[in-house]
Amino acid sequence: DAGVIQSPRHEVTEMGQEVTLRCKPISGHDYLFWYRQTMMRGLELLIYFNNNVPIDDSGMPEDRFSAKMPNASFSTLKIQPSEPRDSAVYFCASSLARAGPFFGPGTRLTVL
Amino acid sequence: EDQVTQSPEALRLQEGESSSLNCSYTVSGLRGLFWYRQDPGKGPEFLFTLYSAGEEKEKERLKATLTKKESFLHITAPKPGDSATYLCAVHNTGNQFYFGTGTSLTVIP
Repeated sequence: DAGVIQSPRHEVTEMGQEVTLRCKPISGHDYLFWYRQTMMRGLELLIYFNNNVPIDDSGMPEDRFSAKMPNASFSTLKIQPSEPRDSAVYFCASSLARAGPFFGPGTRLTVL
Repeated sequence: EDQVTQSPEALRLQEGESSSLNCSYTVSGLRGLFWYRQDPGKGPEFLFTLYSAGEEKEKERLKATLTKKESFLHITAPKPGDSATYLCAVHNTGNQFYFGTGTSLTVIP
């Protein structure tokens, strides 16, 4: 299995631009998570889906952030407009039921 | 509020010097506790899931144990390749996930 796939791996953009991060979970997994990691705050859960339905988005920092999961094999996290404080590594993870989530390699986002 | 606290924040060991990392948790109802290893520039790598007090899991030089209040990750005769940040996370009955801030382990040859 290829594991969780994320793209792009690196993204550099300017403040105010729209950013879209993409994720392909492990086939057969029914949970998908979006996390953000910074040195200051560690790993933060932004949102998670169960069977393509958003369950808990309380970690999404602002209305500038949105996430979708149109089908079981694809999810996006969008930031519009982006700000310098959004700079972080964004991880997508997937799991089966109660098992521990498997993480992707992450997208390192830099907003100038 | 549910929370996870890991200690120590950083640990330096000589190669072969066994030790333990601690993960203390407060959770309304535990569905599972997870241990991960994270190398610089990479995503967390899943190590273990523990579901109930008394449970133990082993993998090579690592052994994870669980009580009702904490979990330990025991590292036996560590090697430099074990150097990484080790993260603990809990999954509660409200379907919420909480990660600790990790223990940065350095094993010196």
